Order: sequence, then structure tokens, then C-alpha cells
Amino acid sequence: QQQVKQSPQSLIVQKGGISIINCAYENTAFDYFPWYQQFPGKGPALLIAIRPDVSEKKEGRFTISFNKSAKQFSLHIMDSQPGDSATYFCAAQAETSGSRLTFGEGTQLTVNP
Amino acid sequence: DAGVTQSPTHLIKTRGQHVTLRCSPISGHKSVSWYQQVLGQGPQFIFQYYEKEERGRGNFPDRFSARQFPNYSSELNVNALLLGDSALYLCASSLVRGGLFFGSGTQLSVL
Repeated sequence: QQQVKQSPQSLIVQKGGISIINCAYENTAFDYFPWYQQFPGKGPALLIAIRPDVSEKKEGRFTISFNKSAKQFSLHIMDSQPGDSATYFCAAQAETSGSRLTFGEGTQLTVNP
Repeated sequence: DAGVTQSPTHLIKTRGQHVTLRCSPISGHKSVSWYQQVLGQGPQFIFQYYEKEERGRGNFPDRFSARQFPNYSSELNVNALLLGDSALYLCASSLVRGGLFFGSGTQLSVL
């Protein structure tokens, strides 16, 4: 059962542009929504996370926007840099499931110089 | 501070063999989880252990088992390996809930 849907599958942006990745979830028990960045040959690294009591969270160039009623959340990368080229995963966690994360399918981001 | 460490980094096995993967969590983290990541897909949850007890199990066959030791390190065991078990196996540690911190994984190839 696919509980977190992520789009687009791949994304190409120019240096300095804005990268936007979207996720939608089904399980209303989810209450924690992290984003992970993964480089080839490495494990996913926690980038930023949000809980549903806020609609937006910003850390540096990374912003999560959260729409509880639509059950959607998105990652915005401002001033995208070639070093941001990686695979990005959204994920969701439910209090009843401990620390278990359900991941989206991933978005391969390429930032051209 | 050391992050999550996993060993070995790469492993090649043949069908039917058994494999043991090892993980050491971040100091102070009592929860360890295991994930399987097939190329081009998101990680899939296998197990979570907290204080040496299994707290969750994903949709994986009984060939997969795990345990957590008193020092909170963990082992993932896979019996009777199949070609489809070829994947990156990720260990993550955390406090009870919240963000998971992943190791670099063990790349398992089954021939």
C-alpha cells in the first residue's frame, strides 16, 4: 500500500532557481513529516522536518510547506546550487508506529551550473 | 561525534546463503531500525528495536530477523538469500520518535 506519493520523479533546474518537490499522504495518523537528502553511495540524511501544527518551516534555503486539509506537503529549495544535486525523499511517521518512517518514491534533482 | 556505523559496506553472497549485517547507533540513541532500499526506490521499513525489544516489523518474510544487544547495537540476519534480496540495507538510530539518522548502508549483492 503506497501511503506517501511523491512527485516529480525527476527535476532539472538551473543554478539559482527554485526546486519544488511535492508529496501527498493518505494516513491521517501521520504526525511527523521529514525530508531526506541522499547522495549516491550514502544513506539518507535528515534535511528538515515539520509537524502538522505549523504550516511552514524554514531552515536556510530549505522550506517545508504543509497543508493539513489537503494532506500534502512540499519542499522548496531556494537559490538551488549544483551541490544540491541528489535524490530527495519525503517521509511520514505516525505516533502509533513508533519511529517507523514511510517514504515516498524519491525525486532525482539535478541543478545545472 | 560518531554517526551510525554499519558493517560491512559491501557484501556478495550466493542464493541460499545466510548473511549478518551489523549496526552501531549514535551514542545515546536506544532505538535502531532497519530499512531495505532497492535501487531507484525509497527505503522500506523492515524492523524497529527499542530497548532490545522488537517494536515493529514491516512486510518482510520470516527469513529476515534482527536483534538488539545491551549496548544498543543491532544485527540484521537474512536466511536463504534470494536474488531479490539484493539491495542497500540501511540502519537508522533515533530517540523514541522523531528524526531517524541513517548509516551509509551495506550494499548486498546476491548472485
